[in-house]
Amino acid sequence: ETGVTQSPTHLIKTRGQQVTLRCSSQSGHNTVSWYQQALGQGPQFIFQYYREEENGRGNFPPRFSGLQFPNYSSELNVNALELDDSALYLCASSFRDRGETQYFGPGTRLLVL
Amino acid sequence: QQQVKQSPQSLIVQKGGISIINCAYENTAFDYFPWYQQFPGKGPALLIAIRPDVSEKKEGRFTISFNKSAKQFSLHIMDSQPGDSATYFCAASSETSYDKVIFGPGTSLSVIP
Repeated sequence: ETGVTQSPTHLIKTRGQQVTLRCSSQSGHNTVSWYQQALGQGPQFIFQYYREEENGRGNFPPRFSGLQFPNYSSELNVNALELDDSALYLCASSFRDRGETQYFGPGTRLLVL
Repeated sequence: QQQVKQSPQSLIVQKGGISIINCAYENTAFDYFPWYQQFPGKGPALLIAIRPDVSEKKEGRFTISFNKSAKQFSLHIMDSQPGDSATYFCAASSETSYDKVIFGPGTSLSVIP
């Protein structure tokens, strides 16, 4: 088991609502990356936070936003939910300064109805 | 646009056999190629990774073969075991952004007794 935790584990929302997902990084890590994994597909990079600043973004619209806190935990916010947002949302933490491998959490399963 | 292609989509191998998964990439800026293993209900876990300055890397029963000119790489699992049954993702990134990973679509491996 990695030291990366995510909450909640499962979530059901309706179209148009907003959702906040949370990630606690592994102790000593200063970087959190978020990925979206649709059913039967590989994870897709959403964005990364390094030392509380966004440090790169994948091909996702602005209604996907995030935060990183001084303790390096992170939030992913999605506004105006769409049916296609239904997926497993994964966060991964790493210590970027040493180029160490990133460790994934178990994910949050989001269902949008 | 799928930057990392992966085949086969699913694979059934007998216990003790060799499992082979193939991947191809398009972006020549990629210079870090990790493989991830994902069990149901878990996040992906790094299995083995290779950089393009070597053509092969072996760790236990897992071997990556890399062909830079063809922009192809593959994972070989020797003496496959039922516990290896999982989804495998090849991936790529650049060394300066090693933790912003582009994943392939995945291969579901089943090792039967």
